Amino acid sequence: DTEVTQTPKHLVMGMTNKKSLKCEQHMGHRAMYWYKQKAKKPPELMFVYSYEKLSINESVPSRFSPECPNSSLLNLHLHALQPEDSALYLCASSQAPLAGGYNEQFFGPGTRLTVL
Amino acid sequence: KNQVEQSPQSLIILEGKNCTLQCNYTVSPFSNLRWYKQDTGRGPVSLTIMTFSENTKSNGRYTATLDADTKQSSLHITASQLSDSASYICVVSASTGFQKLVFGTGTRLLVSP
Repeated sequence: DTEVTQTPKHLVMGMTNKKSLKCEQHMGHRAMYWYKQKAKKPPELMFVYSYEKLSINESVPSRFSPECPNSSLLNLHLHALQPEDSALYLCASSQAPLAGGYNEQFFGPGTRLTVL
Repeated sequence: KNQVEQSPQSLIILEGKNCTLQCNYTVSPFSNLRWYKQDTGRGPVSLTIMTFSENTKSNGRYTATLDADTKQSSLHITASQLSDSASYICVVSASTGFQKLVFGTGTRLLVSP
């Protein structure tokens, strides 16, 4: 299985809602990433988990809360979002993050989030 | 400052024609360079990945080149198909202990029938 899956594909939420995005991979990768991508812009790194521990937080607002319950699963909990948070949220995974070599990142299809 | 610049921003070509996309980078220390294809509203899909010592890498109708001296890369698409319509993103990885990807802004390619 060489796929990163994300659910849901689309999500519409109000500014007072609490929702979660889910990402799953079964490639044995020990690094998982969350990116935010606005229209016609490149992806922006939000968080990196390495061996289920948060390694990088790119100064993301606390209304975004990541969670890595096990090596195959990555969640992004959303609360009190703003309309400007509407974007495509991409999950990616790669092999051991501190090893040499390519560490190629495999991306999921994304979740299209709209905040009303 | 680590940057990746791509040109052109957008491109329209006729089906069956060839095209070349350009990427210039100022990322240091350099680890590797990747080309991704991204369909609208979808996640990026890797086309090629090259390290410092690799000059050319092919994946079907896609051929990427890398000149590490001039810090330039190109992606050549041969005999374009309608399904090639997408954004092509050049991504350079900086080897700073934890490989961080520096994304270009992409070239939006439209293949017209």
